[in-house]
Amino acid sequence: KAGVTQTPRYLIKTRGQQVTLSCSPISGHRSVSWYQQTPGQGLQFLFEYFSETQRNKGNFPGRFSGRQFSNSRSEMNVSTLELGDSALYLCASSLGGTGLTDTQYFGPGTRLTVL
Amino acid sequence: AQKITQTQPGMFVQEKEAVTLDCTYDTSDQSYGLFWYKQPSSGEMIFLIYQGSYDEQNATEGRYSLNFQKARKSANLVISASQLGDSAMYFCAMREAPNSGGSNYKLTFGKGTLLTVNP
Repeated sequence: KAGVTQTPRYLIKTRGQQVTLSCSPISGHRSVSWYQQTPGQGLQFLFEYFSETQRNKGNFPGRFSGRQFSNSRSEMNVSTLELGDSALYLCASSLGGTGLTDTQYFGPGTRLTVL
Repeated sequence: AQKITQTQPGMFVQEKEAVTLDCTYDTSDQSYGLFWYKQPSSGEMIFLIYQGSYDEQNATEGRYSLNFQKARKSANLVISASQLGDSAMYFCAMREAPNSGGSNYKLTFGKGTLLTVNP
């Protein structure tokens, strides 16, 4: 079974631009979560989508948004990029059960650099 | 207060030896789940092992085992017979009940421990 895929793997943007990242979950997984990883803040939860609905969100400004399509693929958008948005963005998929044991499997990440 | 604390920023171990990576957590919930992930330099997070708060046995997965001490709120990862390929960042994470504004359990990560396996 193919793992979680993320595209693109690397991105370079300038301040003020916007960017869209894509995530394809493992086949059969209906939940997609997004995380931002930086050396200073570590791994921070952005949001989770399940059946095209945002089910959970972290403490990020409204510039960060996402959506999920009917095939469970998800996109994350960051508008008006700031230097501090430079990070590794990780996507994780899971079956989507609401129990504690719903294990998330991660993709390789998209490394975003904002100049 | 941090939900997940990993007090060892870096650890060194000799190949073929065992190593313990520490993780303590903070929650008032009775039901929660604890996960360990490995992140090599390539960036991808790899799921290693899971321990539920009501599990009576310590979880084991191959060379990975979890030393779960509920009263002390610790869930240390033990890697036996270390291999060079075990060199990576290791993250402890906790899944707990949703707070207001959420409808599903969230996964909260610690800052990680960088493990280096020496030949």
